[in-house]
Amino acid sequence: DIQMTQSPSSLSASIGDRVTITCRASQAISTHLNWYQQKPGKAPQLLISATSSLQDGVPSRFSGSGSGTDFTLTISSLQPEDFATYYCQQTYSTPPTFGGGTKVEIK
Amino acid sequence: QVQLVESGGGLVRPGGSLRLSCEASGFTFSDYYMSWIRQTPGKGLEWIAYISGSGYTIHYADSVKGRFTISRDNAKNSVYLQITNLRVEDTAVYYCARDHLRYNWSGWFDPWGQGTLVTVSS
Repeated sequence: DIQMTQSPSSLSASIGDRVTITCRASQAISTHLNWYQQKPGKAPQLLISATSSLQDGVPSRFSGSGSGTDFTLTISSLQPEDFATYYCQQTYSTPPTFGGGTKVEIK
Repeated sequence: QVQLVESGGGLVRPGGSLRLSCEASGFTFSDYYMSWIRQTPGKGLEWIAYISGSGYTIHYADSVKGRFTISRDNAKNSVYLQITNLRVEDTAVYYCARDHLRYNWSGWFDPWGQGTLVTVSS
């Protein structure tokens, strides 16, 4: 199975900050990388697919980049509704596997 | 709107069995692959199994093969997860999720249900 490693596991940031989360795959996965957002008590929601494709309704302050083994999720200007846990997921091979998550908290 | 509603979770003794259900609405259910995914504080998110729209293609994670059975009833717009010989480490929130793509397997899960908690304890 492909292992996905996210860093940091948590971070504190202020409203308006630029936030970057990284995700590393244990082997090359091309651009088969998705990002999910999960708020407390809720199910994860697909945010970005295929590395950089924003899902309908996702604000443009979110962006994704990368290829091969290294990927990033960037929030250009953190908003109150963005405080959540973010997970990366690879779909290059079955089983699809998730990173351990990055919790974004209010500073 | 597209909605998935899980049910069937609860407190079960080790060695027991449970059947989780997920009822879908708002889309043509038989056109989509469906998956079960579980979440624990310790192991995070773990994909468990998928089933094709017709039900003919099924795939399990190695960690659950032999104890978990996924099935679907397209007439009832429902997908199921039968779990046998439950272990303490199966304690988790279990989500059903639809594949993002119609007709094909992509592994992009969108949307997810609200989840159902399974607690395995003596």
